[in-house]
Amino acid sequence: QVQVVESGGDVVQPGRSLRLSCAASGFTFSSYAMHWVRQAPGKGLEWVAIIWSDEKNKYYADSVKGRFTISRDNSKNTLYLQMNSLRAEDTAVYYCAREKSGGWYYDYWGQGTLVTVSS
Amino acid sequence: QSALTQPRSVSGSPGQSVTISCTGTSRDVGGYNYVSWYQQHPGNAPKLMIYDVTERPSGVPDRFSGSKSGNTASLTVSGLQAEDEADYYCCSYAGTYTPYVFGTGTKVTVL
Repeated sequence: QVQVVESGGDVVQPGRSLRLSCAASGFTFSSYAMHWVRQAPGKGLEWVAIIWSDEKNKYYADSVKGRFTISRDNSKNTLYLQMNSLRAEDTAVYYCAREKSGGWYYDYWGQGTLVTVSS
Repeated sequence: QSALTQPRSVSGSPGQSVTISCTGTSRDVGGYNYVSWYQQHPGNAPKLMIYDVTERPSGVPDRFSGSKSGNTASLTVSGLQAEDEADYYCCSYAGTYTPYVFGTGTKVTVL
């Protein structure tokens, strides 16, 4: 069955870096666009970044542009989010989500990993 | 890209119907028939309930239905049940560079 499992969340100080991972299984990972979506405590969902299946196209929300980098290793069925220059407002649960092939919606989500930015 | 506007909360008694609105612009909701809805129970990941405005994934009860008029999409839950109490988020495709914009979220309370 399709599974995406995030890891790497932690408590970090402002200005530091952190890398999140998302391990995918149960489907042909290299065929799907993948996203990161985050949710600050008690707040709504916010799209963060997308990477196309071929890794060539990546786009970011304005709130993270220039600080976060999305990448993937199709040989390891793993999605990454490198987060630099972290700010308090980056505190959130980060979800990895699969975009439906040929569709414009998320058909599978991970359970999320919590990133807390605090001194 | 600004978040889509949803009511903060709606409520209804078991068996009643509730409708959640989701208002955007011509650059998102009004420009594409790619609105999806997600249900989220506390501590859980979002779950897809509706896609492409009106389509229901297999396994989602037919009590859930979607529609759209202009820049506003709606989710209706008919025959409200206790397990429908959750947060609901709309989401719209919004173009290549910012592909998705979410709604502000609506808490559904079953009285």
